[in-house]
Amino acid sequence: DAGITQSPRHKVTETGTPVTLRCHQTENHRYMYWYRQDPGHGLRLIHYSYGVKDTDKGEVSDGYSVSRSKTEDFLLTLESATSSQTSVYFCAISEDRGSGNEQFFGPGTRLTVL
Amino acid sequence: GQSLEQPSEVTAVEGAIVQINCTYQTSGFYGLSWYQQHDGGAPTFLSYNALDGLEETGRFSSFLSRSDSYGYLLLQELQMKDSASYFCAVPHQAGTALIFGKGTTLSVSS
Repeated sequence: DAGITQSPRHKVTETGTPVTLRCHQTENHRYMYWYRQDPGHGLRLIHYSYGVKDTDKGEVSDGYSVSRSKTEDFLLTLESATSSQTSVYFCAISEDRGSGNEQFFGPGTRLTVL
Repeated sequence: GQSLEQPSEVTAVEGAIVQINCTYQTSGFYGLSWYQQHDGGAPTFLSYNALDGLEETGRFSSFLSRSDSYGYLLLQELQMKDSASYFCAVPHQAGTALIFGKGTTLSVSS
């Protein structure tokens, strides 16, 4: 299995509080991604990174920011959490397009915003 | 923009063959991927088609027709462990990130 960990695995927070989710990889892969998964919506791309300090927005980036200061870590921050951000968050990594976009996913973080 | 359509649910019995279809709309085309996700687990990669035709990997095959903007995942000799959600996906803006369909839940019964 690809070495991807996410922390925390579960979190309950209150509306208006800041939340940071961490994705850590030991594979030295260049590309990293954050997705959220909600019933009826499948997986939706939030932000992604194509290198240290290089990030871009995905489909549902409003209310989220990311940072990547090291190859191995990709942080997702909810500046002021809202109930609509209650979801399961998956981090993923990949090497390059030559592998057919194969992505390896972390175990997920279940976030509940009350 | 990009969008993908796939059936929400499919049911089948052990030993049967099932086909999960996916139609997509993209401004450019850079390949169609399939992922499997068991309940409570992380998605895992199944296959990738960049060119027209059938790609076979054991009991699973994936087909692509670029002219029809259509692909499918074929699962043969179904087993109970194949009960899962299956997602098709295309690249986001010609990059490495993916846009996923909403998923098809496959239920295999004995």
